[in-house]
Amino acid sequence: EDQVTQSPEALRLQEGESSSLNCSYTVSGLRGLFWYRQDPGKGPEFLFTLYSAGEEKEKERLKATLTKKESFLHITAPKPEDSATYLCAVQAWDAGKSTFGDGTTLTVKP
Amino acid sequence: NAGVTQTPKFQVLKTGQSMTLQCAQDMNHEYMSWYRQDPGMGLRLIHYSVGAGITDQGEVPNGYNVSRSTTEDFPLRLLSAAPSQTSVYFCASSPRLAGGEDTQYFGPGTRLTVL
Repeated sequence: EDQVTQSPEALRLQEGESSSLNCSYTVSGLRGLFWYRQDPGKGPEFLFTLYSAGEEKEKERLKATLTKKESFLHITAPKPEDSATYLCAVQAWDAGKSTFGDGTTLTVKP
Repeated sequence: NAGVTQTPKFQVLKTGQSMTLQCAQDMNHEYMSWYRQDPGMGLRLIHYSVGAGITDQGEVPNGYNVSRSTTEDFPLRLLSAAPSQTSVYFCASSPRLAGGEDTQYFGPGTRLTVL
């Protein structure tokens, strides 16, 4: 059974204080690992897809990396508008569905 | 494009009532799915469909039915509502391109309370 564990559950940062969110996974043949951002009262919004170990993708202050067992979402010099819940999901080649972690709620204080 | 739309946005039901949550997408996506999200938790898959006429169960299917008669629509039916079904429900669609991007696009959600 595919499993996704995200840590920490909650993270509070000062504006400009860089940090990382972790997503550990077990999956029978990784088709893709996905990062989503979810604002309160909204549906998740796609950020990145990673397909193979060593792959990295960047978007503004966010960079996602992937190893064979985990993915990191690095946030550089965060701003208050980066405050949200970040969800990680994996999809296996032999499954028609994605498995989500419980998310990390990031709060960035000015 | 409107993307993925869901109706209603909010719904209150009494135990034992039935209702249908509507989901539609205008992106001609093959893959559609329904998730529920409980407070402080991630998304749990209820049912999904890889194309019109094809549906399958996810992680938490009990108490829910789906059908997919068209590419655009994927309604979720609650047969006999229970308080344990109080949750936020999200519909998502994906192009499911073979060997390519499998990004899911989510609707805004339906907030359901069962009394």
